[in-house]
Amino acid sequence: QSALTQPPSASGSPGQSVTISCTGTSSDVGGYNYVSWYQQHPGKAPKLMIYEVTKRPSGVPDRFSGSKSGNTASLTVSGLQAGDEADYYCSSYAGSTSYVFGTGTKVTVL
Amino acid sequence: EVQLVESGGGLVKPGGSLRLSCAASGFTFSDAWMSWVRQAPGKGLEWVGHIRSKAYGGTTDYAAPVKGRFTISRDDSENTLYLQMNSLKTEDTAVYYCSWEYNNWFDPWGQGTLVTVSS
Repeated sequence: QSALTQPPSASGSPGQSVTISCTGTSSDVGGYNYVSWYQQHPGKAPKLMIYEVTKRPSGVPDRFSGSKSGNTASLTVSGLQAGDEADYYCSSYAGSTSYVFGTGTKVTVL
Repeated sequence: EVQLVESGGGLVKPGGSLRLSCAASGFTFSDAWMSWVRQAPGKGLEWVGHIRSKAYGGTTDYAAPVKGRFTISRDDSENTLYLQMNSLKTEDTAVYYCSWEYNNWFDPWGQGTLVTVSS
């Protein structure tokens, strides 16, 4: 199972928006509405930000939103803040009771 | 508050074995499907495998790189998840996280425990 493809980096100024893509195949991202997104600050454990493509867990700001079109999912962070600077990973159910993660994107707030 | 605390990491020689533990609290552990996810130094996340709750047979599934070498088990009486790692390779060096696998997403995660495989 190959990792989902994410851009290595993305950046934006405070207050701006940044969108991160996550490209898979019809066997994972395109085949199921089980895409989730995780934020990871250096030295910390990942934190769930989006599940089932578009849903936000309690406590996650509505500045974070998710979408999917075909085999590509996206995470948008609006109104960028300094605390949003982190690594972001997508994940998808991949059938046969397995999961695949994305390659990760480092978001920098300029 | 849901909490997961891993332990058991350390330095082990190639070909050696190690058992990791994950102590769970704040939720009904016996009803939970649980996963292990690892992260090699400076690299991305990789799903290792999971164990279903006893209600779903308590069965396990593994990622290809660890199948046949790693075994996930659980002790519901102790609210503890385990990862037995045998025939360790240098490429198994990583921080290992346990997580509650809730309806095909992972939340929350433990703080992780570092496993270093080196001679």
